[in-house]
Amino acid sequence: EDKVVQSPLSLVVHEGDTVTLNCSYEVTNFRSLLWYKQEKKAPTFLFMLTSSGIEKKSGRLSSILDKKELFSILNITATQTGDSAIYLCASNTGTASKLTFGTGTRLQVTL
Amino acid sequence: GAVVSQHPSRVICKSGTSVKIECRSLDFQATTMFWYRQFPKQSLMLMATSNEGSKATYEQGVEKDKFLINHASLTLSTLTVTSAHPEDSSFYICSARDGTGRYSPLHFGNGTRLTVT
Repeated sequence: EDKVVQSPLSLVVHEGDTVTLNCSYEVTNFRSLLWYKQEKKAPTFLFMLTSSGIEKKSGRLSSILDKKELFSILNITATQTGDSAIYLCASNTGTASKLTFGTGTRLQVTL
Repeated sequence: GAVVSQHPSRVICKSGTSVKIECRSLDFQATTMFWYRQFPKQSLMLMATSNEGSKATYEQGVEKDKFLINHASLTLSTLTVTSAHPEDSSFYICSARDGTGRYSPLHFGNGTRLTVT
């Protein structure tokens, strides 16, 4: 059974801190790993990672994949209150883009 | 960017009634759409894969006669929760892949919060 595990489950930081969110996966027919940010409604796409060691960056967010150790991290630097959300990691496996989601990390950024 | 529209955003229904949820890809065609369910403080769980012009593929444990899926066109998939019960109350989200490549990311609708009383 495909499994995606995220840690920590929840995290509270002060504005300006840097955070690292972890995602490990154990799946068959791995194709890619995706990160999503979920606020009140549906997840919004952040990154898709397919190759090991290549960092993807968007503003204060960055992510990298290690296909040998089967994990990915999502970094957020200089956090802001608007970064408060649930961050979901998902593995895209098999055919037809089937996604297996982790349980998410609930991030709260306080003033 | 790719937009997936889901309607309604919120619905309250009585036990025993049926509810239809629509998922549309607004600026791209989607031969495949996906339906997820999310219970409070839990992750998204794939319910079924909706295939345009053919039968949906359901995940283990999901009753196909209860959750009817129709994907009649390249831009519309519907999920009908039949004979809804309070335990069906959940957040239902659809998604579709933008692009034909296998590595194209999925985009999500805004979800439908179903409350069955």
